[in-house]
Amino acid sequence: AQKVTQAQTEISVVEKEDVTLDCVYETRDTTYYLFWYKQPPSGELVFLIRRNSFDEQNEISGRYSWNFQKSTSSFNFTITASQVVDSAVYFCALRGNNAGNMLTFGGGTRLMVKP
Amino acid sequence: DSGVTQTPKHLITATGQRVTLRCSPRSGDLSVYWYQQSLDQGLQFLIQYYNGEERAKGNILERFSAQQFPDLHSELNLSSLELGDSALYFCASSGEKGAPREQYFGPGTRLTVT
Repeated sequence: AQKVTQAQTEISVVEKEDVTLDCVYETRDTTYYLFWYKQPPSGELVFLIRRNSFDEQNEISGRYSWNFQKSTSSFNFTITASQVVDSAVYFCALRGNNAGNMLTFGGGTRLMVKP
Repeated sequence: DSGVTQTPKHLITATGQRVTLRCSPRSGDLSVYWYQQSLDQGLQFLIQYYNGEERAKGNILERFSAQQFPDLHSELNLSSLELGDSALYFCASSGEKGAPREQYFGPGTRLTVT
């Protein structure tokens, strides 16, 4: 069975602070795929990043960066110099190679960035 | 804009009724997925279709069914509705051929059962 845990249900920061959202996953598949999605107050789910299990390089995209550590089964997401527009619920998701094509989502972390 | 469209955006109906949610995938995507987002269950996978055929099934109730048509749009049918079916229903599509790709989500249909 696959499982994704986002232990932080809610985080509140002040604008310009850095914030890291944690994601821990469980899977028996040797090949798998990890994702982050953003759900702003408007409700849609916006794709942010896909990471393959065989590629452990960390990635940076503007103020966003992702730290994938296979040894600890974690795929953490850091927002640098947070802005009010970053306020949203962020979901980490896992897709195995043998478990069908569905995404298994974590419970989400609600990030509130205050001005 | 993800390119995935869903209609209607909101739906209010009574218990015992039947509704149909519609989804059009991104141009060229053959896979369509349905997910349910509720407060108590979170985001859960319901069912996947690939080029008209059912590919994978998740926690979908027997009262729910789906299909994908030759033009690749999909419909999710929910019948004998209960209060607990109130949720946000998302459709997603992906263009994978072999290697898994990201799923792009539509704006969702918010279903309220009264």
